Amino acid sequence: DAGVIQSPRHEVTEMGQEVTLRCKPISGHDYLFWYRQTMMRGLELLIYFNNNVPIDDSGMPEDRFSAKMPNASFSTLKIQPSEPRDSAVYFCASRASGTGFTEAFFGQGTRLTVV
Amino acid sequence: AQKVTQAQTEISVVEKEDVTLDCVYETRDTTYYLFWYKQPPSGELVFLIRRNSFDEQNEISGRYSWNFQKSTSSFNFTITASQVVDSAVYFCALSEASSGYSTLTFGKGTMLLVSP
Repeated sequence: DAGVIQSPRHEVTEMGQEVTLRCKPISGHDYLFWYRQTMMRGLELLIYFNNNVPIDDSGMPEDRFSAKMPNASFSTLKIQPSEPRDSAVYFCASRASGTGFTEAFFGQGTRLTVV
Repeated sequence: AQKVTQAQTEISVVEKEDVTLDCVYETRDTTYYLFWYKQPPSGELVFLIRRNSFDEQNEISGRYSWNFQKSTSSFNFTITASQVVDSAVYFCALSEASSGYSTLTFGKGTMLLVSP
C-alpha cells in the first residue's frame, strides 16, 4: 500500500486566500484524522471521521476551517480565508477499526505558509 | 493539565552513546494505549511502538527498548548505541478507552540530535 497520501506537500498562499488540503487514506481504513503541528502547540487533533462521518470537530480552531470526507478514499481540509497564524504543518492520518486497537498511520504532511 | 509530558525538549549525544527519552502520562482510564512516533528531518511521522495498559513487559527491538511502568505512569524509550540516523523528534502519545481509542494525544516531543 502507498500509505496515506497528502497533497500538496508545500503550499504558500497570501492572507485571505482559500486553501484546500487533500488526503487519501490507506485503503480499508475507516478512521481519518486531521492534525495540525506548530512549534507553540505541538500536534493537535483538528477533526476526525469514522466511515466518512465527522465524529469530533472540537479541535477545529474556528469557522474558517472546514473538513469534508465525501467518500472513503478522499478528504479535504479547507481554510477560508487563510491567515498568517494558520501557518503550520497539517497531517492526515488513518487507521482501521476492528478487534483490538490499531495504530494510526500518518501522511507526510502539508507545510502551509500564509504570508 | 497535559496528559502526556515529555520534559526533555532537546537532547544532544555523541554517536554510540545510549540515550533515554522520558514520557509521563496522565489518565483516569484503566484501559489505554501508549505509543511512540518518530519524526525525522524529512517531516513524516513514523510509528514505532504501541503498548496497552495491561502489558507492562518491557520490549526490545534491535537498538530500541521501551520501559513501561504503570506505578509511575511512565513509558520511557531508550536507544542503545545511538546513530546519526536516530536524529529526529520523538513523540509519545496516549489513546484512552474513554474516547473509544479514537484519538491520539501527543506530548510536545523530544528533539534528539546525534552527532558523529
